[in-house]
This record gives sequence, C-alpha cells and structure tokens, in this order.
Amino acid sequence: DQQVKQNSPSLSVQEGRISILNCDYTNSMFDYFLWYKKYPAEGPTFLISISSIKDKNEDGRFTVFLNKSAKHLSLHIVPSQPGDSAVYFCAALNNAGNMLTFGGGTRLMVKP
Amino acid sequence: KAGVTQTPRYLIKTRGQQVTLSCSPISGHRSVSWYQQTPGQGLQFLFEYFSETQRNKGNFPGRFSGRQFSNSRSEMNVSTLELGDSALYLCASSDAGTGGEKLFFGSGTQLSVL
Repeated sequence: DQQVKQNSPSLSVQEGRISILNCDYTNSMFDYFLWYKKYPAEGPTFLISISSIKDKNEDGRFTVFLNKSAKHLSLHIVPSQPGDSAVYFCAALNNAGNMLTFGGGTRLMVKP
Repeated sequence: KAGVTQTPRYLIKTRGQQVTLSCSPISGHRSVSWYQQTPGQGLQFLFEYFSETQRNKGNFPGRFSGRQFSNSRSEMNVSTLELGDSALYLCASSDAGTGGEKLFFGSGTQLSVL
C-alpha cells in the first residue's frame, strides 16, 4: 500500500511557464514533507520542505503548498528553466522516527 | 565538507552471490539510511542506523542487512542475490538525532544481478 503517491509519472512544460508537481498521501501521522530532485546517475538532492503546521513555504522559484484536509501537497516552480529537468520525489515523515516515505517520482521536462 | 561517498559505483553479480556496499557519511553526521530505487518503485526504505544501532527497518527480507561502525561509516549486505535485487542502492546521511531533517544522499551503487 503506497502511502505517498505521485500520480503523474511525467510532466512536460515550456521554459518560463509554471511547473506544478503533485503528491498525495494517506497516512495522517505524517507531519513533515520534503521534495527532492534527482538527476540521472546522481543521488537525490533536497529542494524544499514544509511542516504540517504551515500551508505554504517558499524558496526562490520553488513553493510548496500543503492541504492537510485533502492530504495533498504540490510543488510549484516559477519560472521553469531547462535545468529544472529532472525527476522530482516527494517524501513524508512522521514524528515516530527518522524514516522517509517516498513517492514514485515525477519526471519533469522543461523545453526551451 | 565532503559529501556522502558510496563505493563501488557499479557492481555486477550473479544470482546466489552476496554483496557488500559501503557508505561514508558527511563528517559529523551520525545517522545513515539506506534506500533501494528500482524503475517505477521510487525509493524504498531499507534501514537506518544511528550511533551504531539500527533505529528503523523497512519491509525487506532478512537477506538485506546492515551495520554501522563507530566512525559512522555504514555497510549493507545482501546475501543470496536474486534477479529482483538489481537496483540503485542509495545511502543518505543526516546530522539529526530525531526525525524531520533533510537527508543528504550519495550517488548510489548500481547493482546488476545476472
């Protein structure tokens, strides 16, 4: 049973436009969420995070929104750049331990 | 600071063999986690070590084991390899004593089982 789901395996966006990546979770014990970006042949790198006490966190071009009632979070990238092309993973953590539960990833392609 | 280092980068084994993968965390980080990435499965948690003790374990068979040394370096071992064990194995370190902090990942070891 997947507790964290990214229903779109891929997303294609034009350079300069907004990219919106979505993530849904089922476990109401999750209280901290993170987004990671992964390039081929490299490990994931941390992008941005949000605590369940917030509904928005912004860092430059990246904004994460959290809707606790819908158990849904999204990552907005504005404006999108070709260098943003990568696989994006959302991950969730509960306060019971140090184990991240990852979604299956979304491959973002930003076209010049 | 040097990042998380995993060795080897690539490994080819045959069914039934065993394999040991190594991970050196960022200096000062005491938590080391291991993840398996397969196509379409995302990253699946294997286990986490903190100060030489296994603190969390994922839902993998007993053929997958690990350990952490006093210098925080970690190894994972897979015995009696199966074709389905072919995957990218990622190690991540954290300076967290508790959960909530971000992980720093290595580049992974790509294991192919023939």
